[in-house]
Amino acid sequence: DQQVKQNSPSLSVQEGRISILNCDYTNSMFDYFLWYKKYPAEGPTFLISISSIKDKNEDGRFTVFLNKSAKHLSLHIVPSQPGDSAVYFCAASPILTGGGNKLTFGTGTQLKVEL
Amino acid sequence: ETGVTQSPTHLIKTRGQQVTLRCSSQSGHNTVSWYQQALGQGPQFIFQYYREEENGRGNFPPRFSGLQFPNYSSELNVNALELDDSALYLCASSLGASSGANVLTFGAGSRLTVL
Repeated sequence: DQQVKQNSPSLSVQEGRISILNCDYTNSMFDYFLWYKKYPAEGPTFLISISSIKDKNEDGRFTVFLNKSAKHLSLHIVPSQPGDSAVYFCAASPILTGGGNKLTFGTGTQLKVEL
Repeated sequence: ETGVTQSPTHLIKTRGQQVTLRCSSQSGHNTVSWYQQALGQGPQFIFQYYREEENGRGNFPPRFSGLQFPNYSSELNVNALELDDSALYLCASSLGASSGANVLTFGAGSRLTVL
C-alpha cells in the first residue's frame, strides 16, 4: 500500500521555467511533509518542509503548497536551473511519532533541467 | 561539521550470508535511522536508534537488527540474506527522536548486492 505517491517518474523543463513536482498521500495521520533532493552517488538532502497548519512555505526559489482536503502537495521551483537536475522525493510523517523519525517516502521524480 | 559517513560503499554477498553495515552520525546528532531503498523505489524506514536502544521499527523482519554505540555511531546487521535484500541502505542522523519534524541528514549509502 503506497501511502505517498509521486505519479510522475520524470519531468523535463527548460532552464528558467517553472518546475512543478506533485505528490499525493492517503494517510490522514500525516501532518508534516518534506521534500528531499538526491544526486547520483549521494544521500538525499533536505530541501523544504511544511506542516499541516500551513498551506504554503517558501524558501528562495522553492515553494511547497499543501492542499489538505485533496491530500496533495506540490513543489514549485522558479526559476529552474541545470543544477536542480536530480531525483526529488516527497516524504510524510506524523509530527508526534513517539517512536522515531519514520518518514514515508514516495518513489521519486527525476527532474531534468535542460539548457 | 562532519556529515554522515557509511561503510562499505559497495559489497556483494551470497544468499544465506550475514552482513554488517556501519554508520557514523553527523557531529552533534544523537539519533540514527536506517532506510532501505530498492531499485526504483523510495527509501523505506527500517528502524531508529536513540540512546543505544531501538526506538521505532518499520515493517522489516527480525533478521534485520541494529546497534547504536555511546558515540552515536550505528550498525545495521542483516542475517540469512535473501535476493530481495539487494538495495541501497541509507543511514540518517538527527538531533532528537520523537518528532517527525526532525530534519534527517543522510549518508551516501551502502549498496548491497545479494547473489
